Amino acid sequence: EVQLVESGGGLVQPGGSLRLSCSASGFTFSSYAMHWVRQAPGSGLEYVSSISHNGGSTYYADSVKGRFTISRDNSKNTLYLQMRSLRAEDTAIFYCVKISGSYREDPFDMWGQGTKVTVSS
Amino acid sequence: SYVLTQPPSVSVAPGETARITCGGNNIGSKRLHWYQQKPGQAPVLVIYDDSDRPSGIPERFSGSNSGNTATLTISRVEAGDEADYYCQVWDTSSENYVFGTGTKVTVL
Repeated sequence: EVQLVESGGGLVQPGGSLRLSCSASGFTFSSYAMHWVRQAPGSGLEYVSSISHNGGSTYYADSVKGRFTISRDNSKNTLYLQMRSLRAEDTAIFYCVKISGSYREDPFDMWGQGTKVTVSS
Repeated sequence: SYVLTQPPSVSVAPGETARITCGGNNIGSKRLHWYQQKPGQAPVLVIYDDSDRPSGIPERFSGSNSGNTATLTISRVEAGDEADYYCQVWDTSSENYVFGTGTKVTVL
């Protein structure tokens, strides 16, 4: 069974840092690009960041560029999102997402249950 | 940046047909996907590549995409279809994944 389990969310003060993790199982993790998508309270889905299957390429939404860093450890089947200089507007549920194939146009076929990040003093 | 516009809400009686639109510039040229998100749950893919259904998704869910509008159609709506629905594309120009604004489907 394909499974994505996020962890690392919590309450952090503005300007603080947090690292999210996503443990993957049930598929060949190293073969797929992986992504983070977030959802602010009462709002829609927002793309955050992507990383290629081997970690060689990374992409970020303008809203997080320069503050967030995506990485992966294929030996541990784990995806990470290092978040720095957090702002109140970063408060959201963060989802770890698997794409179905090798092309960026492919759909997101598996989502984790999400981990909640709250940025507040 | 590329924008996908959806109606905020659609209401439908049980057994009737719900149609959810997703508007975007020349969206018909893109591979369009739809996700269903029930309260407190993660999104689930219900339609990919405009009109294909993943395994396990009922035939009642169908899609189309042409010109500047894509449509998700839910036939014979059931109470369990009540959820938020999002369209999504990959935008080559901005090199970003773009989600629609989302539509809340209410079953009366």
